[in-house]
Amino acid sequence: EIVLTQSPATLSLSPGERATLSCRASQSVSSLLAWYQQKPGQAPRLLIYDASYRATGIPARFGGSGSGTDFTLIISSLEPEDSAVYYCQHRSNSIAFGQGTRLDIK
Amino acid sequence: QVHLVQSGAEVKKPGASVKVSCKTSGYTFTTYHMHWVRQAPGQGPEWMGMINPNGGSTKYAQSLQGRVTMTSDTSTSTVYMDLSSLRSEDTAVYYCARVALYSSSWGLGALDFWGQGTMVTVSS
Repeated sequence: EIVLTQSPATLSLSPGERATLSCRASQSVSSLLAWYQQKPGQAPRLLIYDASYRATGIPARFGGSGSGTDFTLIISSLEPEDSAVYYCQHRSNSIAFGQGTRLDIK
Repeated sequence: QVHLVQSGAEVKKPGASVKVSCKTSGYTFTTYHMHWVRQAPGQGPEWMGMINPNGGSTKYAQSLQGRVTMTSDTSTSTVYMDLSSLRSEDTAVYYCARVALYSSSWGLGALDFWGQGTMVTVSS
């Protein structure tokens, strides 16, 4: 079973700043990794698939990189509406999610 | 446009079963695997399994094997998730989510459309 570990658990930044979120897999998942944004009371929203491709309608300030075991989600210039919990998910031999990073925009 | 509409909240006693439905529209039902994901309060999402509506084949998370059953009805474009022998740890919001064909293989993939969620509470 592949385990995804996200860091940091919480991130507090200001509007306009750059956010860097990390996701590490316990073994290689190649580029089979997605990122989601979840706001309170809502379902997760797909942001990035296959490590670096933005899903339909996702703003260009969201970017993903990485392969193998180490992945990064970068939000280049934070907007207040980016406050949310972000999850990574692999689809290597099954599906699993990380435990999430809470991003607060102060 | 794609819509996934789930059934309403449920309250069950320990040991009972629950069946959640997910009615789809706006796309060809049999083309896309459907997944079920649950999320306990304050926790990350947990993948439960998937069903291929084209034939009904399933793959379940090992942790739920023997307790979960996923079915589909092509006449109504609806998928169902049945969870038995409920315990308090099963209290969660349950989501159906469609696989993204552009990011999938063998039905496993990113999930691009989600239902609104169904709260299932297990309490005596």
